[in-house]
Amino acid sequence: QSALTQPASVSGSPGQSITISCTGTSSDVGSYNLVSWYQQHPGKAPKLMIYEVSKWPSGVSNRFSGSKSGNTASLTISGLQAEDEADYYCCSYAGSSTFVFGTGTKVTVL
Amino acid sequence: EVQLVESGGGLVQPGGSLRLSCAASGFTFSNYWMHWVRQAPGKGLVWVSRINSDGSSTSYADSVKGRFTISRDNAKNTLYLQMNSLRVEDTAVYYCAKGGATVIDYWGQGTLVTVSS
Repeated sequence: QSALTQPASVSGSPGQSITISCTGTSSDVGSYNLVSWYQQHPGKAPKLMIYEVSKWPSGVSNRFSGSKSGNTASLTISGLQAEDEADYYCCSYAGSSTFVFGTGTKVTVL
Repeated sequence: EVQLVESGGGLVQPGGSLRLSCAASGFTFSNYWMHWVRQAPGKGLVWVSRINSDGSSTSYADSVKGRFTISRDNAKNTLYLQMNSLRVEDTAVYYCAKGGATVIDYWGQGTLVTVSS
């Protein structure tokens, strides 16, 4: 149950697009189309942004999009806005009813 | 509106025990799997445990297996986490979360557990 690997930080200017990677193994990300992404502002609870690799929960902006290739999933934020500045975590189903989270990425809007 | 309110956190000595509770409202609690996820101060999220909708099946992270027990009371719309043999490294904010077998979709605000002598 090792954490999925994410870059520690990603930054971009308002209006730009950024992509956050999430690398796992053939036992988690690579085996299941069950990757979700969470946004967490300081001192707040995480919020689901993407589930099942690329699906949007109700109320989430379509500026957020997800994809997966092999053992790596990605979250792209288009039209970056100041309110997008937060920590982002990926999470994958890892079999046997267990889950594994990513190491987290701090997004900075320049 | 979905609400998940955790309680029971606090300061405990290494080797001690604590029971966390999570009161759920705004949805049909007995229809959903529930999870506990923790976050050490300044660190990332770590999945801890999950329980299915009727409480008949549970799973745990290796780091807590044999020490923590998840349970639920569907009549009281409440989720529990019994934590025994606590270690300093168990210090974290513990989040109660709603979801399913393959996704965690809504989180409470968390309760802080501090393990220290």
